[in-house]
This record gives sequence, structure tokens and C-alpha cells, in this order.
Amino acid sequence: KQEVTQIPAALSVPEGENLVLNCSFTDSAIYNLQWFRQDPGKGLTSLLLIQSSQREQTSGRLNASLDKSSGRSTLYIAASQPGDSATYLCAAIQAAGKFQFGAGTQVVVTP
Amino acid sequence: GAVVSQHPSRVICKSGTSVKIECRSLDFQATTMFWYRQFPKQSLMLMATSNEGSKATYEQGVEKDKFLINHASLTLSTLTVTSAHPEDSSFYICSPFRNTEAFFGQGTRLTVV
Repeated sequence: KQEVTQIPAALSVPEGENLVLNCSFTDSAIYNLQWFRQDPGKGLTSLLLIQSSQREQTSGRLNASLDKSSGRSTLYIAASQPGDSATYLCAAIQAAGKFQFGAGTQVVVTP
Repeated sequence: GAVVSQHPSRVICKSGTSVKIECRSLDFQATTMFWYRQFPKQSLMLMATSNEGSKATYEQGVEKDKFLINHASLTLSTLTVTSAHPEDSSFYICSPFRNTEAFFGQGTRLTVV
């Protein structure tokens, strides 16, 4: 059974610092890996989708890498801003759209 | 494209009553619908998978008689929490699936008092 772990569980940084969020998964037979942002009491906002054949994806200040063989993905957020404060979830995507989510990393960026 | 409408966004109900949550894919047809729930400070956990016109498949530990899922069309699925109890208070999210991609509703915060 796929298990997804996110470390750290919480992170607080001053504005301007780079953020590094880690995600590990136990079963490397994934279709894709996706990173989401979740604001308190809200749904999910998709950030980056990395297909299993890809090594990384970039969007603006966000960069996500994927190493299937070691079962790891890392989300980098450059030059963090207070608006980046949220919980970040990674999800390993398996057959036919079934997602296995990590518990998330709660990020606070202080002005 | 890929607009998902889930409502209500918040609902408070009395213990013992039933609550229906609706999920619509507005501009695409979803062959499969996933329902997740999220307890505070925890991850989203898959509850059930349903395909249009057939019975839902429930994950281990999820009571199928308590969480009724109807997927009558390719654009609409409903989750009914029957005889709700305070321990059912949670955040419920639907996820319609099309081809190779899943999308997510905005979630429903259910509070049972």
C-alpha cells in the first residue's frame, strides 16, 4: 500500500527565504506526482503536476523535482512571500486517478 | 475548462439527520468520481470510487450504508451522509476524473452538532 510522507510537518520562515518541502513515497510505481496548496478551510489548488517520465516541473517561483527510484519529490519555492503561507500537499497518483496524499507541510512566511 | 462545482461549501446539521453533498463537473464529463474526506490536521483520505451508472467501491473502514454515493450521470455525483454523528464532522472533497486527469471540488465542511 502506497504511503506518502511529508517532512517537515510545519515550517516558518521570514519573507524572502527559499522554501524546501519534501515528499517521499513508498511505492515507486506511480503514474504522476502532484503538488497542491490548501488554504485554511478551503479546497485544493493544483501547483505542479510531474509526470512519471519527467524529472521536474517549473512554474514561476515554484520548482518541483521527482526521483522515482528513490521515492522522493521536492518542492522549492523561491523568494517566499507572506501570501505563500498555506498547507502544501503532495500526492502520488496511481492507477486511474487514485490519489494518495501526504499529511502536508504547514508553511508560515512572516513579513 | 475543468470547472468543478461542489456544494454546499459549509453545512451544520443535527446529530441523526442526513446531509447531501453535490458535485458537478460543469464543462466536462467525468467517468469516475472519487470522494475524499479530511479530518483536522490530517491528510485527505480516499473514501470511495464510483463509476457512472454502477455501485461505488468503498475503501476499507468506510461504511457504505452510512455514506451513500450516487453517480447517476457523467456530470453529477452526490454523497449523502446518513444519520450523521459528531464523529462524521469533517471536510469532504469530490474529485471527478476524466481521461488521465483528476480535478477537485472546493470541499464541503460538515459539522454535526
